[in-house]
Formats: sequence, C-alpha cells, structure tokens
Amino acid sequence: SQTIHQWPATLVQPVGSPLSLECTVEGTSNPNLYWYRQAAGRGLQLLFYSVGIGQISSEVPQNLSASRPQDRQFILSSKKLLLSDSGFYLCAWSEGRTNEKLFFGSGTQLSVL
Amino acid sequence: DAKTTQPTSMDCAEGRAANLPCNHSTISGNEYVYWYRQIHSQGPQYIIHGLKNNETNEMASLIITEDRKSSTLILPHATLRDTAVYYCIVSDGGATNKLIFGTGTLLAVQP
Repeated sequence: SQTIHQWPATLVQPVGSPLSLECTVEGTSNPNLYWYRQAAGRGLQLLFYSVGIGQISSEVPQNLSASRPQDRQFILSSKKLLLSDSGFYLCAWSEGRTNEKLFFGSGTQLSVL
Repeated sequence: DAKTTQPTSMDCAEGRAANLPCNHSTISGNEYVYWYRQIHSQGPQYIIHGLKNNETNEMASLIITEDRKSSTLILPHATLRDTAVYYCIVSDGGATNKLIFGTGTLLAVQP
C-alpha cells in the first residue's frame, strides 16, 4: 500500500533563517506531488505541484521554492523565512492519471518568529 | 478562486444525518464535484466525488442536482468523529489533479 511521509511535524524558525521541508511517498511510481499551505483560520492554498522529476509548477508568487530530486521526493525550501511564511504545510500525492484523488501527509506546523 | 459556495458552519446531532450543501452554479460540463474533509490539525481526507450521477460509498452519499449547479454531501449517521471542515471542490480532474480548496463548512456534531 502507498504511504506518504512528511517531516518534521512542528518547526519553529527565526525570521531570515532557511527552510527545508521534505516529503516522500512509498508504494507508487511517478506520482503527482503537491505542496499546500494553510494559514491560521484559512483554507488550503496550493503552492507547487510536480508531475515528474525536475518538473515544478508554481501556483503563487512567494518566498518559497520546491524541488523534486527523485521520483518520490518533494522538497519545499526557502533561503530566508518571513513572518508571513508561518502556517501549516501539507504535502500530497496522487496517481499520475486523470481524475485521481489526493492523499495528504500529516503536515508540518511552521512558526516563524 | 474557489468555484463553490458553502455555509461557514453547521451543527448536527450525533446519530442524525448531516446534509452539507454546496453551490457550484458555474460548473462546466467536464468538471467533477469532489468532497474532502479536514479534522483539526490533520491533512485533508478524500470522501467522495461525482460527475452527474449520485454516488455512495462507505463514508457518504453525494447527491448532485440535475442541472449540476449544486450538490449535497450526506453523512447518514453522524458521529462525534465526523466533526471537521468539509470542502466541496469542482475540478476537471485533468492529469495534474490540481484541487483548489475554498474555506469549507465546519461541521460540529453535537452529543
């Protein structure tokens, strides 16, 4: 069966520090991968998605970047965190076919202070 | 921008059916209706989706109106564990499977 791993569960970082969040999927090949962010009391915002290794699509301009160095690995990064980067970050995957459901990880609660 | 309109919150008594409405008046012919839910501090969980026929699975039923401009998610016997934010999303289900979430409905199941 397929599983998705996302870590860390919580993270407290100072403003201006770098960020690296990692997500890996097991039990499937060539999945679509996604990064979402949820600010406090808000809905989920799609940040990035990827349909293959090295293929990254950005949905909104921001202080973050994403990379997919391996088929089942998706990384969210920032060189210098802003206060506004605080939020709940969720990784998700789907089969690379049409009309497939998304499976979400357990999320990372990021607090930038 | 989200293409759906949902009530901000709803209450339901434990053991009763929970009926969550969603308006999607601008839905296109090739767009599906998806429902997900998010329990506090967890990732969203897929519930059900449909195109124009009513659908049922082990979690819920989805009723889509004939003109497809609205739908209702039905949880037949709500439990306290069903307390969550429920998201109604319309998408053409293309190969990217991108889903744009709105703010959803907070369903509070009361004992």
